[in-house]
Order: sequence, then structure tokens, then C-alpha cells
Amino acid sequence: ELKVEQNPLFLSMQEGKNYTIYCNYSTTSDRLYWYRQDPGKSLESLFVLLSNGAVKQEGRLMASLDTKARLSTLHITAAVHDLSATYFCAADRGSQGNLIFGKGTKLSVKP
Amino acid sequence: EAGVTQSPTHLIKTRGQQATLRCSPISGHTSVYWYQQALGLGLQFLLWYDEGEERNRGNFPPRFSGRQFPNYSSELNVNALELEDSALYLCASSLYRGTGGGYGYTFGSGTRLTVV
Repeated sequence: ELKVEQNPLFLSMQEGKNYTIYCNYSTTSDRLYWYRQDPGKSLESLFVLLSNGAVKQEGRLMASLDTKARLSTLHITAAVHDLSATYFCAADRGSQGNLIFGKGTKLSVKP
Repeated sequence: EAGVTQSPTHLIKTRGQQATLRCSPISGHTSVYWYQQALGLGLQFLLWYDEGEERNRGNFPPRFSGRQFPNYSSELNVNALELEDSALYLCASSLYRGTGGGYGYTFGSGTRLTVV
């Protein structure tokens, strides 16, 4: 059974600092996704990671995938208040139609 | 290009009633997925429809059901509502069948269901 674990679940950062969110998954997964959710809103797709060693960057966010370690990371560089949100990683396997989500990391960036 | 659209935005029902939620996928997407986001329980997979058929369902009782129409839009029905059914229900669609593939899943804005 595929399980996805994120840590930390809560993260309070100061503006300008760097930090990393970790996402471990329990069995082989074909794809790893990162989403952002603002309070009361839907999920916004950030990154799709398909293969070992994949690295993608968008602005202050960079995601990577290590399939051997079953680990994905979301690195935040020089955080700004606008990045405050909940970040989810999720994995799917094969074509089973079910995305397995981590519990989410609630990020709060303070001035 | 229109995204995934869901209606209604909010729905208030009484315990024991039935709720119907609707979703229209992105044009060209045949797979529609439903997820429940309840407080404290995270995001949980409910149902997957593709080409008009239910292809997979999560660990939810049979009173959660739905269908997919010939135009690929979908409906989620929740019968005999219970208080714990209060949640944000998200619909998603994907270009590939049963997986987000290289493009991922696109989520709608959700329906907030409140059971009183």
C-alpha cells in the first residue's frame, strides 16, 4: 500500500530564510506531485516529478525527486510572506486513479 | 481554456438528506476524480470515473456514489448525510486515464458541504 508522509507539518519561517519540506513515500511510485493550497481554496499544481533525479524550479521554490530513497523535497529560498500556504505532496502509482496525499505542511512566513 | 468547474460552491444540508455535487472537467479530459478534504483527515480519494464508468473507489461507504455523463461531467451523490460528511469536496481531471502523468491533475475550486 502506498503511503506518503510529509514533514514538518507546521513550519514558521522568517522572511529571507531558507527551508526544506520533506516527502517520503512507502513503495515505488511512478509520479510525485506538489500542490499549494491557500485557506479555503483549491489545490494549485506546483510541480510534477517523473523520474529519478528530476529537479524543477519556479521562483523561490525548487522540487526534487530521489526515487531510490523514495524522497522528494520542496526547497524554499529566501521566503516571502506570499509563500504562506499549505503545501501537499502526493504520489500515484500506475493508472489506478487515486492520488495519495501527505498530510500537508502549513507554512507561515513572518516578517 | 476553462479549468475544472464545480457547483455549487457551498451547500448546507440537514442530517439524513441527500447532497448532489457537480463537476465539469477540462475539455479533452475523460477522467474525473473526487476527493474529500475533511478537517483533521486530510485529502482522501473518493471515486474515479472514466468513459462513463466507475473505475476505482476509495475507502468510503456505498452511500457515496456518483456517475459520469457522456460529456464527461460528473456528479457526486452523498445519501443519508451524516455530520462527519461536512468537508470540502474537490473534483479533479487529468489528460491521462487514471493518472496525472506528466501534466498532473487539475483541481476545481471545490464544494463546501456543511451538514447540520
